[in-house]
Amino acid sequence: AQTVTQSQPEMSVQEAETVTLSCTYDTSENNYYLFWYKQPPSRQMILVIRQEAYKQQNATENRFSVNFQKAAKSFSLKISDSQLGDTAMYFCAFMKHVLTNQGGKLIFGQGTELSVKP
Amino acid sequence: DAGVTQSPTHLIKTRGQQVTLRCSPISGHKSVSWYQQVLGQGPQFIFQYYEKEERGRGNFPDRFSARQFPNYSSELNVNALLLGDSALYLCASSLPGRDYGYTFGSGTRLTVV
Repeated sequence: AQTVTQSQPEMSVQEAETVTLSCTYDTSENNYYLFWYKQPPSRQMILVIRQEAYKQQNATENRFSVNFQKAAKSFSLKISDSQLGDTAMYFCAFMKHVLTNQGGKLIFGQGTELSVKP
Repeated sequence: DAGVTQSPTHLIKTRGQQVTLRCSPISGHKSVSWYQQVLGQGPQFIFQYYEKEERGRGNFPDRFSARQFPNYSSELNVNALLLGDSALYLCASSLPGRDYGYTFGSGTRLTVV
């Protein structure tokens, strides 16, 4: 069974600085996807960034980038130029390809609560 | 375009009662999934439906059931409610065959007393 581990329950960063959130996962699959979701107090899960396992290039979305280490099964999120609006719970998630057995379901980590301080 | 909409936003029920939660996916999305998020934890997968067929079920008791309608909206039913069913229930939709991640609704907060 796949598992996702986020070892940092809470983190804080000063506005405009850079912060990295850690995530490790365990799987024997070769074809899968990894995601970072943000959940602000409004409760809605918002997709931040997505990585396909077969792509070696790390995904980037504006101020958000990942460091994907497939062999180490590590998937960290870097937030540059942190903004007050980045304050939220961040979840790392794993998903097998939709056409595989049990594919298409997200497996989430426990989350990291990020506070951006002015 | 409207996002994923869920109703109601909040609900209080008594132990032993039954509850129905509703979800309308983004227009054009044919896959709907349900997740349970207990306070302080990550969401746990409950069900996935695609084209009105159940495609996946998580490790939840038979008290939990769901269905998808011809317009791709979905209902989640929970019978014989327990205190431990108190949680945020999230619905997510996606385009068929696309692994681009899911779009989530804002959830239904269920409190069982």
